[in-house]
Amino acid sequence: DGGITQSPKYLFRKEGQNVTLSCEQNLNHDAMYWYRQDPGQGLRLIYYSQIVNDFQKGDIAEGYSVSREKKESFPLTVTSAQKNPTAFYLCASSFSGVGQETQYFGPGTRLLVL
Amino acid sequence: QKEVEQDPGPLSVPEGAIVSLNCTYSNSAFQYFMWYRQYSRKGPELLMYTYSSGNKEDGRFTAQVDKSSKYISLFIRDSQPSDSATYLCAMSAGGGSYIPTFGRGTSLIVHP
Repeated sequence: DGGITQSPKYLFRKEGQNVTLSCEQNLNHDAMYWYRQDPGQGLRLIYYSQIVNDFQKGDIAEGYSVSREKKESFPLTVTSAQKNPTAFYLCASSFSGVGQETQYFGPGTRLLVL
Repeated sequence: QKEVEQDPGPLSVPEGAIVSLNCTYSNSAFQYFMWYRQYSRKGPELLMYTYSSGNKEDGRFTAQVDKSSKYISLFIRDSQPSDSATYLCAMSAGGGSYIPTFGRGTSLIVHP
């Protein structure tokens, strides 16, 4: 079954703690993305990667970091510098070239601050 | 003015109604138009994909693009309670600007 998996489904962060959200895809997509979704605000792009070992900042990258060591994996770290991390985080992937406009999303991770 | 405008709703309709969901945009370079459906606490799923102007039909769903008016629509015929979700429009210029710009989403409630 091809798709995108995200884990955990829920994540709790204490003050000053870094936490890492996992995203894995087996769709053989080159590009992967991280979005943040807050109520009433739509999707905001955090980081994206078009190829292994390369990634670019999106609109709201401050307080977040990513890595892309494998084509299938694009983990997101929410650092202690992110002062308002409570949100629904969505990972997506797409082909590069033709068809790259259409993204496929994972089920999401809800991050809550204790 | 945001690049993509979408009324957040909620839009409440009775079962069986025809639903019209809309987005307007300001960037005339957009040529790829998508509609996603997102159930509560789930990830968005791609519903419709249209290139340039015109209509595209898939079962009960019809996507319509009017580039001259910078206006796109999603019609749902014979709406069902299972259609209750948030519908996000997304659009992209393609080429070097392929990452889509999303609307805020419209919450649709279909009541029995």
